[in-house]
This record gives sequence, structure tokens and C-alpha cells, in this order.
Amino acid sequence: NAGVTQTPKFRVLKTGQSMTLLCAQDMNHEYMYWYRQDPGMGLRLIHYSVGEGTTAKGEVPDGYNVSRLKKQNFLLGLESAAPSQTSVYFCASSYSRGSEQYFGPGTRLTVT
Amino acid sequence: ILNVEQSPQSLHVQEGDSTNFTCSFPSSNFYALHWYRWETAKSPEALFVMTLNGDEKKKGRISATLNTKEGYSYLYIKGSQPEDSATYLCAFYSGAGSYQLTFGKGTKLSVIP
Repeated sequence: NAGVTQTPKFRVLKTGQSMTLLCAQDMNHEYMYWYRQDPGMGLRLIHYSVGEGTTAKGEVPDGYNVSRLKKQNFLLGLESAAPSQTSVYFCASSYSRGSEQYFGPGTRLTVT
Repeated sequence: ILNVEQSPQSLHVQEGDSTNFTCSFPSSNFYALHWYRWETAKSPEALFVMTLNGDEKKKGRISATLNTKEGYSYLYIKGSQPEDSATYLCAFYSGAGSYQLTFGKGTKLSVIP
């Protein structure tokens, strides 16, 4: 039982490049989330999903897109990376609304 | 955007000391309050999910209380140990049709051996 996994762990991008971060969970959770963590800020929600085929915007969605084609996977895309998107990205999942969230190990992204 | 405040921002305690931190959140539209422990180079792990006013939860030497009417929660650590060194996050779940946890910035605890 791997829990929540994220791919890749590290990535360096140049401004304007695109990439996709993959999150996978094996706990059969309905809810999945993408957060970013920046120095001096709390975890901020980018997008979330309440079930397969659904996505919704969080607090800081601009510049990101997401897809949830399979229940166990939640993809975060950056179409044209900007230096302001340099951050550590965490994926999380939960069984239901309000229940504890299980976090992945994080992806450290640097955009130069 | 909901406001979740944690204090203090950081603190250093001696091994064996007991300590506590505060989380304040909106007192309206309450659904749940979460506490997470976040060790350096790891990812956050849930400590408690609290949903009822007056709730008290305990896990080993760590406990938490909840007051939804006045919008605060306390986290207590009894007899701090070096392995308790971590950032402790609280997060508020609004009942107003929201699916989002709003996190505080955390309290960073360092326990000095």
C-alpha cells in the first residue's frame, strides 16, 4: 500500500515550457487535491476533485490545469511555466469531505 | 478567503517541557478543524480531525481541544521530546458548501535536548 505518490520528485523548467505532475493514490479515495507551498505562506489549494471526471478551482488556480480521468490519478499541468510557479507542490487525497487528508512526498519545481 | 491564524510562529523548548500552540479560525460556518504534523523533508501527516464544539482528542503525549463558538483550538504537547520537533499545521474546513481546507502558516517547534 503505497498511499499517495507523486512524479517527478524534482524538476527544473525554463520559462514558457510545459509539464505535467502526476499524483496517484491507492486508497480508493474520492477526493484529491493539489497544493503549493511557498516560504512564509501556508499550503494553498490550486485545484481539487471530488470524484472521477470532476475538477474545481481552489484558491490559486491561475496558470494551472488539472484532469481526473481515473479515480486513482490526478494530473496537474503547467502550460507555460513562469518563475512565479517555482514552488513545492503537494498532492493529497481524502476519503470524504472533511476527513483527514493524506499527502504525497511533494515535487520541487524550479522555473528559471 | 478564510483567515486561519496560528501562534506562535515558532518556539524553542527544552526537552521535558510541556508546551501549547493556538489556532484561531472563523467562528461561523464551522465544519471541521484539522491538525497536521509536518517534519522537515517529509509531508504533512494528520494528527486530529475535530468536528464538535468541546471536542478533546489525544494521541500519546499530544492532545487538542476545540472551541467552535469562539473560533479557536489548542494543541498541547506534554513532556516534549526531540522527535516532536516539527511544524504543526491547523486547517479549517468551512461548512458553507466548501470542499477546501484552509491552512494556517504553522507553528515550528524545536525541542532542545
